[in-house]
Amino acid sequence: EVHLVESGGGLVQPGGSLTLSCAASGFTFSNYEMNWVRQAPGKGLEWVSHIRVSGTTVNYADPVKGRFSISRDNARNSLYLQMNSLRAEDTATYYCARVSGGGSSDYWGQGTLVTVSS
Amino acid sequence: DIQMTQSPSTLSASVGDRVTITCRASQTIGGWLAWYQQKPGRAPNLLISKASTLETEVPFRFSGSGFGTEFTLTISGLQPDDSASYYCQQYNSYPWTFGQGTKVEIK
Repeated sequence: EVHLVESGGGLVQPGGSLTLSCAASGFTFSNYEMNWVRQAPGKGLEWVSHIRVSGTTVNYADPVKGRFSISRDNARNSLYLQMNSLRAEDTATYYCARVSGGGSSDYWGQGTLVTVSS
Repeated sequence: DIQMTQSPSTLSASVGDRVTITCRASQTIGGWLAWYQQKPGRAPNLLISKASTLETEVPFRFSGSGFGTEFTLTISGLQPDDSASYYCQQYNSYPWTFGQGTKVEIK
């Protein structure tokens, strides 16, 4: 069974940094592209970043470009999101998701909450 | 960036009704569209990919159609368990984008 478990969320001050992790199991992680998607409290879904299987090709949403960095460790079946220069508007639940069929996300983790506040 | 606009934002319907949600793209995306269902406090669940391909274990009352810039998600015979928010997402070009969501309520 596919499992994705995010960790690393928490309270951070504006301008601070945080690294999210996503542990994958139940499938061959190295064969799948991965996404990070976030959802601010009471708001809709927002795609954040995507990484291809090799980890060398990545893409970001405009609001996080230059501040966030996605990476993966295929040997450890893990996905990461390094978040720097955090802003209040980055407050959200962050989901990691497995990509299938060209870009849809067929499995999601339970999410980890990031709160940016002083 | 491609903007995805869903309508309506909310809808209220009765059990057994046929419900249609529309998603319009600001430019053509071919068939690269997904639909998700999300219930409060839960992660989204993929219902349909490539505009019309029903995912495994998704009830047949859900169907998707469309190509280019206009897409629809139809629920044929609304059930109480379908009370949720629904989102479309384009993955034709980066940045991938979601619609703002449609909340479906049961009368």
